Amino acid sequence: EVQLVESGGVVVQPGGSLRLSCAASGFTFDDYVMHWVRQIPGKGLEWVSLINWDGGAAYYADSVKGRFTISRDNSKSSLYLQMSSLKTEDTALYYCIKGNGATFYYGSGAYPHYMDVWGEGTAVTVSS
Amino acid sequence: DIQMTQSPSFLSASVGDRVTITCRASQNIDNYLNWYQQKPGKAPKVLIYGSSTLQSGVPSRFSGSGSGADFTLTITSLQPEDFAVYYCQQIYNPPLTFGGGTKVEI
Repeated sequence: EVQLVESGGVVVQPGGSLRLSCAASGFTFDDYVMHWVRQIPGKGLEWVSLINWDGGAAYYADSVKGRFTISRDNSKSSLYLQMSSLKTEDTALYYCIKGNGATFYYGSGAYPHYMDVWGEGTAVTVSS
Repeated sequence: DIQMTQSPSFLSASVGDRVTITCRASQNIDNYLNWYQQKPGKAPKVLIYGSSTLQSGVPSRFSGSGSGADFTLTITSLQPEDFAVYYCQQIYNPPLTFGGGTKVEI
């Protein structure tokens, strides 16, 4: 069974740092793009970041660029999100998600990419 | 960044109804548009990718159409299990933005 299990969500003060982890199982982890998406309770979805299979390319939402860093350890089938300079608006449930290919290509001509397996999420609260 | 606008935000419907949700991109995104369904307390799941391709296992009452900047998700004959929130997402260019969501309720 394909499974993604997030961990690391806690209560942290504004300006603090935190690392989220995602343990993957049931599929060949290093064959796929991985994403983080967050959701404020009761609100909509916000895509946060993605990383290609080999970590060679990563992309970020403007709201987190320069503060968050996505990474992966294929030997451990694990995805990470290092979060720093945290703000109250970063409070959300963070989902780890598997993409449908090894490399994210964008623009016309690329094969359509989608997020096909989601974890249950880990809750991050930024509050003093 | 590409902005995604969904309408309506809320939709009241009955079992058996035909439901249409629209999503508009702020620029041309060809057919790089996905639809997700989220039920209360659950993670979202993909319904349609590439604007019109049904994900494996998704009932055929769901369909998607559109290209360029205007897209539609249609549910023919709404079922009780379809009451949920639906999101569109563009995957044409990072950042991969979502629409604001459409809550389909009774």
